[in-house]
Amino acid sequence: AQSVTQLDSQVPVFEEAPVELRCNYSSSVSVYLFWYVQYPNQGLQLLLKYLSGSTLVKGINGFEAEFNKSQTSFHLRKPSVHISDTAEYFCAVTRSGNTGKLIFGQGTTLQVKP
Amino acid sequence: SQTIHQWPATLVQPVGSPLSLECTVEGTSNPNLYWYRQAAGRGLQLLFYSVGIGQISSEVPQNLSASRPQDRQFILSSKKLLLSDSGFYLCAWSVRGYGELFFGEGSRLTVL
Repeated sequence: AQSVTQLDSQVPVFEEAPVELRCNYSSSVSVYLFWYVQYPNQGLQLLLKYLSGSTLVKGINGFEAEFNKSQTSFHLRKPSVHISDTAEYFCAVTRSGNTGKLIFGQGTTLQVKP
Repeated sequence: SQTIHQWPATLVQPVGSPLSLECTVEGTSNPNLYWYRQAAGRGLQLLFYSVGIGQISSEVPQNLSASRPQDRQFILSSKKLLLSDSGFYLCAWSVRGYGELFFGEGSRLTVL
């Protein structure tokens, strides 16, 4: 079975600073990995995904993530954050080919301060 | 383009009352459909998923049930709500063969 651990429940950062949100997963089989963003009282929006190929994945809103198989990690990064990036971020994993049964981490609240 | 609609957006119900949350998807055929619950301060828990009409798989034992009467309609129900059923319920769909989920806007249920 797969599991996901988001290592930080809250990450405060100043505007225009870089940020990294950490995600580790556990799986004995090949996986697909995702990062989603959730604004208050809204559904989840896909930021980026790793299915195969290049381990550096670029997503929307300037975010990127790197798949590290040896460390079973999929950390999310942005070189310069904006106030509007304040939201909840979720890392998710599913077994390759196991469509849609995503296992989510507990979420990381990104708080961007002026 | 594909869209997903979920309603009602907000619901306040007394303990012991019934529940019906509805979700419909437009612009695609034969989607996989999912119900997730997000409790306050916690991640998302998969409740039910469906790969076709009348085919429902339950991920956790609970007070809720799901039905899929039409290809693009997914309903979450309860006969008698419990306080612990409070939360933010999210419907989602995916294309078969791909892992990405597309989420609705969510339904916030408060059981008093």
